[in-house]
Amino acid sequence: GENVEQHPSTLSVQEGDSAVIKCTYSDSASNYFPWYKQELGKRPQLIIDIRSNVGEKKDQRIAVTLNKTAKHFSLHITETQPEDSAVYFCAADDGSGTASKLTFGTGTRLQVTL
Amino acid sequence: KAGVTQTPRYLIKTRGQQVTLSCSPISGHRSVSWYQQTPGQGLQFLFEYFSETQRNKGNFPGRFSGRQFSNSRSEMNVSTLELGDSALYLCASSWMGGNTEAFFGQGTRLTVV
Repeated sequence: GENVEQHPSTLSVQEGDSAVIKCTYSDSASNYFPWYKQELGKRPQLIIDIRSNVGEKKDQRIAVTLNKTAKHFSLHITETQPEDSAVYFCAADDGSGTASKLTFGTGTRLQVTL
Repeated sequence: KAGVTQTPRYLIKTRGQQVTLSCSPISGHRSVSWYQQTPGQGLQFLFEYFSETQRNKGNFPGRFSGRQFSNSRSEMNVSTLELGDSALYLCASSWMGGNTEAFFGQGTRLTVV
């Protein structure tokens, strides 16, 4: 089955700096890669996603890149703000066609300090 | 548009009991997936339902089961509860399932004592 590794497990940046979180996956059949942000005590919230036919996607301060050959994808947050502090999860959906099965990374705790 | 709703929010059960959790998806979404979240194991896939059919299943024992109704609402059941079943159970709904955006409910926090 799919295996997703995520690094780093914790990340501390100063407000205004950039943050990068990296994930690798094992199943070449995976073709959908969402990122979730989870604040303490709250539900995971989808922040951005990318499909295998796209190399990069950007939404304001957030961008995701995908390298299918190397089987890795990354989340980039620019101009970080204190409200970006949360745990971020990457995931891969091996799809198996139309069925959904997300395999999650172990999470990155991002802390943005003033 | 209402989000994904899970009930109850909190539950305390005794070892050996069984429990049923409920999930109402976003209107129009036909796929419902269930995940278990624990500090040690992270987010793990339990199963996915679409049009009342289980399409995918994770590596959990048979004590974990689920079903989906014709209105897309879903329930999951855990029988013969063990201490290790204490976790946050999250459901996520999406329009079609694979390769489409999945939105999570706020979860049911299950504590087994």
